Amino acid sequence: AQKVTQAQTEISVVEKEDVTLDCVYETRDTTYYLFWYKQPPSGELVFLIRRNSFDEQNEISGRYSWNFQKSTSSFNFTITASQVVDSAVYFCALSVGSNYQLIWGAGTKLIIKP
Amino acid sequence: ETGVTQTPRHLVMGMTNKKSLKCEQHLGHNAMYWYKQSAKKPLELMFVYSLEERVENNSVPSRFSPECPNSSHLFLHLHTLQPEDSALYLCASSQGAGPSYEQYFGPGTRLTVT
Repeated sequence: AQKVTQAQTEISVVEKEDVTLDCVYETRDTTYYLFWYKQPPSGELVFLIRRNSFDEQNEISGRYSWNFQKSTSSFNFTITASQVVDSAVYFCALSVGSNYQLIWGAGTKLIIKP
Repeated sequence: ETGVTQTPRHLVMGMTNKKSLKCEQHLGHNAMYWYKQSAKKPLELMFVYSLEERVENNSVPSRFSPECPNSSHLFLHLHTLQPEDSALYLCASSQGAGPSYEQYFGPGTRLTVT
């Protein structure tokens, strides 16, 4: 069975702090894709990154970075020097095989205080 | 208009009403999706259309009826809804229908059934 676990329900930090959002996934498939999405209060889910199971290189995009480790089945997301605009719910998701369905984590609500 | 748009943004309807949600994507994508997002529950995939053909129907009650007249437009027709159907309904599109494609979401329709 496939599953995505985001154990952190809510995280609150002060602006400019670094913060890491955890994502642990389960699948027996060797080919799969991992995603991160951001959902600000406006409601629209915003795509952040996709990573396939054969590419374990970490990625950095501005203040955002992602650490993919197959050995621990984790795909963690770090925001460096957080800003108030980063406040949102962040979802990690998994897709496998020929399935159309994304398996979603429960989301982590991130609150950045000024 | 850019990206994925949804109308209306908010909808209040009685249990005997009939209404429709509209989604339009301006990305030239070939696949479109309807999701339901309820409080404290994971995102639920409702329907998937690929090249205007329905390819996934996740055991959704018949009071929800999708329609995809072309690859840019997707409707969700609602009738005789129940209060538990109150939720945020999100539309998404992707270049193709499959596990490797990231999905782009609209802002959602906040539906309240009274």
